[in-house]
Amino acid sequence: QQQVKQSPQSLIVQKGGISIINCAYENTAFDYFPWYQQFPGKGPALLIAIRPDVSEKKEGRFTISFNKSAKQFSLHIMDSQPGDSATYFCAARIAAYDYKLSFGAGTTVTVRA
Amino acid sequence: GAGVSQSPSNKVTEKGKDVELRCDPISGHTALYWYRQSLGQGLEFLIYFQGNSAPDKSGLPSDRFSAERTGGSVSTLTIQRTQQEDSAVYLCASSWTGSYNEQFFGPGTRLTVL
Repeated sequence: QQQVKQSPQSLIVQKGGISIINCAYENTAFDYFPWYQQFPGKGPALLIAIRPDVSEKKEGRFTISFNKSAKQFSLHIMDSQPGDSATYFCAARIAAYDYKLSFGAGTTVTVRA
Repeated sequence: GAGVSQSPSNKVTEKGKDVELRCDPISGHTALYWYRQSLGQGLEFLIYFQGNSAPDKSGLPSDRFSAERTGGSVSTLTIQRTQQEDSAVYLCASSWTGSYNEQFFGPGTRLTVL
């Protein structure tokens, strides 16, 4: 039973466009929400993370928006580049337990030049 | 420094055989995790080791799966009597201790059970 639901499964965006990936969760005890980026043949790597005491976090072209009341969070990739083509996973964790990330199913992003 | 390493990178085995997958965590990391990534699925938590504490085995899908961590460093995931549904990428991660510490993932072992 997946605790974090992610959509869409895949998306194609033109270079320079905006990629948006959405995630929803049910467990209100989650208090740490990281996003991971995975290239083919590689393990996932932490991209950006947010805690529920803020509604938005931006790092370069990547922004997380967080809506605590709706139990939803999303990743926006601004000015998408071909090098951003990868699979993106949202995740959630009860930080006090210090482990056990619950992952979404992943979104494959393809950026067309 | 070196990241998390895993071996082998690919493993093809016949149904019913046992396999061992190895993980070398980042030096000094006290926490080690195993996840399974099936096609089209997210990562599924399998097991967690933290220092000398008893491991959290709550994610292991059956008693055919076991894992150990020797000397607080290298870990081995063993799958006995492999089944075709065990085919997946097995990922290992390690981290420092702490509530928000980043988990660093290895490249994974792709297991194919024929």
